[in-house]
Amino acid sequence: EAQVTQNPRYLITVTGKKLTVTCSQNMNHEYMSWYRQDPGLGLRQIYYSMNVEVTDKGDVPEGYKVSRKEKRNFPLILESPSPNQTSLYFCASARRLATEAFFGQGTRLTVV
Amino acid sequence: AQSVTQLDSQVPVFEEAPVELRCNYSSSVSVYLFWYVQYPNQGLQLLLKYLSGSTLVESINGFEAEFNKSQTSFHLRKPSVHISDTAEYFCAVSDLDSGAGSYQLTFGKGTKLSVIP
Repeated sequence: EAQVTQNPRYLITVTGKKLTVTCSQNMNHEYMSWYRQDPGLGLRQIYYSMNVEVTDKGDVPEGYKVSRKEKRNFPLILESPSPNQTSLYFCASARRLATEAFFGQGTRLTVV
Repeated sequence: AQSVTQLDSQVPVFEEAPVELRCNYSSSVSVYLFWYVQYPNQGLQLLLKYLSGSTLVESINGFEAEFNKSQTSFHLRKPSVHISDTAEYFCAVSDLDSGAGSYQLTFGKGTKLSVIP
């Protein structure tokens, strides 16, 4: 089954404790992206990747890091989480040329 | 930079009534347009898309959207809604910046459709 898998689905952490949210896709897609969803703000892009070792900032990259060492994986790293990063995070993947994006089920992160 | 405006944050409608969810975009290049649906506690699913060709596109569950280039709009419509259509709907636009080789998918802020029995 074609899918995008995120882990964990729920995470509560404390300010400053580094964390990683994993994302994996099994569709051999070149394009992957991270979004955060906040009430009234819709989805905002954090980072995206056009291919292995190619990443670029989205609209709200501050406080986040990503890496793309393999085509299927695109982890999101929060080196020092803060409460304003409490949000619902989605990973997505797509074939390169503007086709539909497939989304993971989301990771609800709470930073206290 | 592209942007997407969904004019209504919430739309209540009675069951079996028609509905239109509005979406306008701004982009200086050719665009691809999408509508996604998010049911409670789930991720986003593609509802329909416009890439090229016929400006009227349809989904399998009765929704349709029409691409209007002159008005830069991509409104979503359904002639008769069901309770199961209650969800949040997101309009999205992408373009291929061929010069820079970049690719971004930009979302509107979403419209919550509530179908009233």
